[in-house]
Amino acid sequence: RKEVEQDPGPFNVPEGATVAFNCTYSNSASQSFFWYRQDCRKEPKLLMSVYSSGNEDGRFTAQLNRASQYISLLIRDSKLSDSATYLCPSGGSQGNLIFGKGTKLSVKP
Amino acid sequence: NAGVTQTPKFQVLKTGQSMTLQCAQDMNHNSMYWYRQDPGMGLRLIYYSASEGTTDKGEVPNGYNVSRLNKREFSLRLESAAPSQTSVYFCASRGTAPYEQYFGPGTRLTVT
Repeated sequence: RKEVEQDPGPFNVPEGATVAFNCTYSNSASQSFFWYRQDCRKEPKLLMSVYSSGNEDGRFTAQLNRASQYISLLIRDSKLSDSATYLCPSGGSQGNLIFGKGTKLSVKP
Repeated sequence: NAGVTQTPKFQVLKTGQSMTLQCAQDMNHNSMYWYRQDPGMGLRLIYYSASEGTTDKGEVPNGYNVSRLNKREFSLRLESAAPSQTSVYFCASRGTAPYEQYFGPGTRLTVT
């Protein structure tokens, strides 16, 4: 089983839609979880850290389910500018981040 | 603050040539990382440095060396480039809890 698994998509949604991504991780010892977005040919940029109690930042809501070992990201009122690949790395034992391949989102007018 | 900077942005090498990728951060972070990203794959850790003066291998260290010159700078060296090292290289530094990482803009390397 891969350490971090994501549905690669693409998710094609209209502007204004609500879209949700899930991400599963295999290392039960992971303590840190994040959502990053990566635009084509650019560096990953931190979207939000994911806390055990769940957290919200504007249109974005992240949840962590430790029992089932998955995290989720909900995007409300999608904008064209939300089009990107979304990454959900978990913390590795070396302080590094362990990445999956990402989920591609395309928001259409 | 510039965050994490990397040079060069692009590079083309011939097989067997050497080069050093430079990375610097101005956030006073202790830990720094080098990743590579290949098409259709997630980022993979090459080397990391938990603090000034220490470096350790990551998942894919073969063919690379690193130097943590000081707290700000962490360089990645390819001694004898191979086509399999064609990739995009990202440097990152890690903040304090919750230990998020910040990435540089990347170096696109092609080895012919």
